[in-house]
Amino acid sequence: NAGVTQTPKFQVLKTGQSMTLQCAQDMNHEYMSWYRQDPGMGLRLIHYSVGAGITDQGEVPNGYNVSRSTTEDFPLRLLSAAPSQTSVYFCASSSGPGQGSGETQYFGPGTRLLVL
Amino acid sequence: AQSVTQLDSQVPVFEEAPVELRCNYSSSVSVYLFWYVQYPNQGLQLLLKYLSGSTLVKGINGFEAEFNKSQTSFHLRKPSVHISDTAEYFCAVGHGSGNTGKLIFGQGTTLQVKP
Repeated sequence: NAGVTQTPKFQVLKTGQSMTLQCAQDMNHEYMSWYRQDPGMGLRLIHYSVGAGITDQGEVPNGYNVSRSTTEDFPLRLLSAAPSQTSVYFCASSSGPGQGSGETQYFGPGTRLLVL
Repeated sequence: AQSVTQLDSQVPVFEEAPVELRCNYSSSVSVYLFWYVQYPNQGLQLLLKYLSGSTLVKGINGFEAEFNKSQTSFHLRKPSVHISDTAEYFCAVGHGSGNTGKLIFGQGTTLQVKP
């Protein structure tokens, strides 16, 4: 299994540009999440999904959109990038309650985004 | 609302010394507790977790943590650290309703192991 994969690894954007951060998992996990990591602030939840077709907002959703058309994929869209969105973005997945792995979340390697 | 506080932003320690990284949480419901480690330029990796049962939880790489409900703490310990333990450590809480998409993370503690 590849686990959780993210592309690209690094991206530079200009203010106002749009882009999509890709996330895929091959573990048949129902739950997927997007976090951003900023120095001194830990990881903050942007959006999450409890299954295909179901998404919800996390702690810092403004400026980001998500969709979940398949179990495997959970892309994160920046509609109009701003310098405040410069961060490292992590995608994670988990099997959900009642499964053998419990509540463990598996993280991708991250995407470093710089918005100029 | 849930929150997680990691009481130390940086912990310097000499190799082979013991270490404790402190984590306190607040929650009005039962919780699941986690410690994740992030090595430089990598994603997060699970060290250990508490879901239920024994309050002393053992994880990978010789780490352990103790869940203390009365003190709402979940401190991480290792009796003897190695240079390779240098990393950032995150405590996280998920609440007991099973909505695993929502983990609340602490701010992180940088463990710096010196030779």
